[in-house]
Amino acid sequence: QQQVKQSPQSLIVQKGGISIINCAYENTAFDYFPWYQQFPGKGPALLIAIRPDVSEKKEGRFTISFNKSAKQFSLHIMDSQPGDSATYFCAASTVGGNQFYFGTGTSLTVIP
Amino acid sequence: KAGVTQTPRYLIKTRGQQVTLSCSPISGHRSVSWYQQTPGQGLQFLFEYFSETQRNKGNFPGRFSGRQFSNSRSEMNVSTLELGDSALYLCASSFGAAGELFFGEGSRLTVL
Repeated sequence: QQQVKQSPQSLIVQKGGISIINCAYENTAFDYFPWYQQFPGKGPALLIAIRPDVSEKKEGRFTISFNKSAKQFSLHIMDSQPGDSATYFCAASTVGGNQFYFGTGTSLTVIP
Repeated sequence: KAGVTQTPRYLIKTRGQQVTLSCSPISGHRSVSWYQQTPGQGLQFLFEYFSETQRNKGNFPGRFSGRQFSNSRSEMNVSTLELGDSALYLCASSFGAAGELFFGEGSRLTVL
């Protein structure tokens, strides 16, 4: 059973547009929600993360929106660039643990 | 500072064989986790070691095992390989008991 559900599976966006990836979870014990970015042939790398005590976190062009009551969180990439083309994974973990539950990934393609 | 190093990067085995994968974490990191990555399934947690002790284990059969040495280096072993074990195996290290995961580039296993 997938503990973190991610959509869409793939996404094509024009350069300069906004990319939005959504994730949902069921386990209310989750308290740390990171997003990872993976380029072909590389391991995932942490992009941005949020804890449930805030509803939004922004780092440059990347923003996480978090809705605790709906148990959903999303990644927004503003002014998307071709260099953002990669696979993005949302994840969740519980307090004090390094066991992460990952979504199935979203392949983002930004067209010049 | 060197990143997480995984060896070998690529390997081909036949059904019934066993395989051992190695992971050297970032210097100073005491937690090492292993994930299996397959298309459509995302990253599935295998197990995590902290200071030579297995702290968490995912939902994989007993054919998958691991260990961590006193220098934090870790190995995972898969016995009696099956075709479905073909995947990218990712190792991640973390400084403390909980926090950001730093991934290696993975070991791609193909089972024929």
